[in-house]
Amino acid sequence: QLQLQESGPGLVKPSETLSLSCTVSGGSITSSSNFWAWIRQPPGKGLEWIGRISSGGRTDYNPSLRSRVTISVDTSENQFSLNLTSVTAADTAIYYCASPLIPEVGTGFWDVWGQGTTVTVSS
Amino acid sequence: EIVMTQSPVTLSVSPGERATLSCRASQSVYGNVAWYQQKLGQAPRLLIYGASIRATGIPARFTGSGSGTEFTLTISSLQSEDFAVYYCQQYNDWLIFTFGPGTNVDL
Repeated sequence: QLQLQESGPGLVKPSETLSLSCTVSGGSITSSSNFWAWIRQPPGKGLEWIGRISSGGRTDYNPSLRSRVTISVDTSENQFSLNLTSVTAADTAIYYCASPLIPEVGTGFWDVWGQGTTVTVSS
Repeated sequence: EIVMTQSPVTLSVSPGERATLSCRASQSVYGNVAWYQQKLGQAPRLLIYGASIRATGIPARFTGSGSGTEFTLTISSLQSEDFAVYYCQQYNDWLIFTFGPGTNVDL
């Protein structure tokens, strides 16, 4: 059963880089045409798609964040990662990693979610 | 960017009642809409994709319908575990996936 788990610092200083990882278990990160996504949720607010990376390394980013976001895959660790540079208080949120369960059915929606990790941007 | 709007913001219902949630897209997304349920402190849970296809393990009381710009999620007989926030999401524009602001279903 595919499972995802986020990890990373819970506190980041303004102007620094937020770095999170998502460990994939129960499956391979290089498996068939899957897309691995990052989604965030500011406190008390709705969901925002950050971006995604395919098992082949192709990336798509939210245009509003594109200049600051990098998503990458580490096949040796079966992980994918999020880097968000020059953070401000507006980047304070719960960050989720997510994946389709069966990519052949669709890759634009997500059946499998990590539990989420809270990141606060503050000095 | 395709903007998703949802109504109502809050829906107050009693257990056993029917709940109807609406979602509108700013332009046609065909049938490329998903619905999620999110309970406090939990990650979202996929309920519906393809506007009307229930995800694995989702009870039959959840029904999705619609196409183009107008979509509906119906919960036929609310159970206590169904009180949550519900989000719609379009995935027709794969350059940017967008969510609605959510509908809070409460007592």
